[in-house]
Amino acid sequence: GENVEQHPSTLSVQEGDSAVIKCTYSDSASNYFPWYKQELGKGPQLIIDIRSNVGEKKDQRIAVTLNKTAKHFSLHITETQPEDSAVYFCAASRGGSYIPTFGRGTSLIVHP
Amino acid sequence: DGGITQSPKYLFRKEGQNVTLSCEQNLNHDAMYWYRQDPGQGLRLIYYSQIVNDFQKGDIAEGYSVSREKKESFPLTVTSAQKNPTAFYLCASSAQTTGNSPLHFGNGTRLTVT
Repeated sequence: GENVEQHPSTLSVQEGDSAVIKCTYSDSASNYFPWYKQELGKGPQLIIDIRSNVGEKKDQRIAVTLNKTAKHFSLHITETQPEDSAVYFCAASRGGSYIPTFGRGTSLIVHP
Repeated sequence: DGGITQSPKYLFRKEGQNVTLSCEQNLNHDAMYWYRQDPGQGLRLIYYSQIVNDFQKGDIAEGYSVSREKKESFPLTVTSAQKNPTAFYLCASSAQTTGNSPLHFGNGTRLTVT
């Protein structure tokens, strides 16, 4: 089955810096890669996703890049703000009845 | 507003008692899921259902049971057989069963068993 590795487990940055979270996956058939943000005491919420026919996608201060050959994808957050502090999860899935596989999460701390 | 609702937010039970966690969605989604979240463990899949009256075990189904009698509802019962039931439980739904649509999560139920 699919295996998703996520790094780092904790990331501490100063406000205004950039943050990068990386994930690798094992199943070359995976074709959908969402990222979720989980604030304290809440459920994860989708913040951006990318499909395998696209190499990069941006939405304001966040972007995701995908390298299918190397089987890794990354979340980039620019100009970080304290409200970006949360746990971020990556996931990978493919067609059919397959359930998404999640990474173990990255706790991002943005210091004001 | 469409969404997924979990209740209650906090739940306390004595050891040996079964407890049922509620999950309701009005998004008209076919697929629903239950995850357990422990510190440092990420999201672990307990059960999922891709259609009414059908459900499948996830990675950690032992000690749990579910039902899917209605499209909107996917309750989870934590039985007394679950060795370590204290955790944060998340319910989710998705529009498609193909694995290529995002999950919509509820805000969780924190269960404490003493």
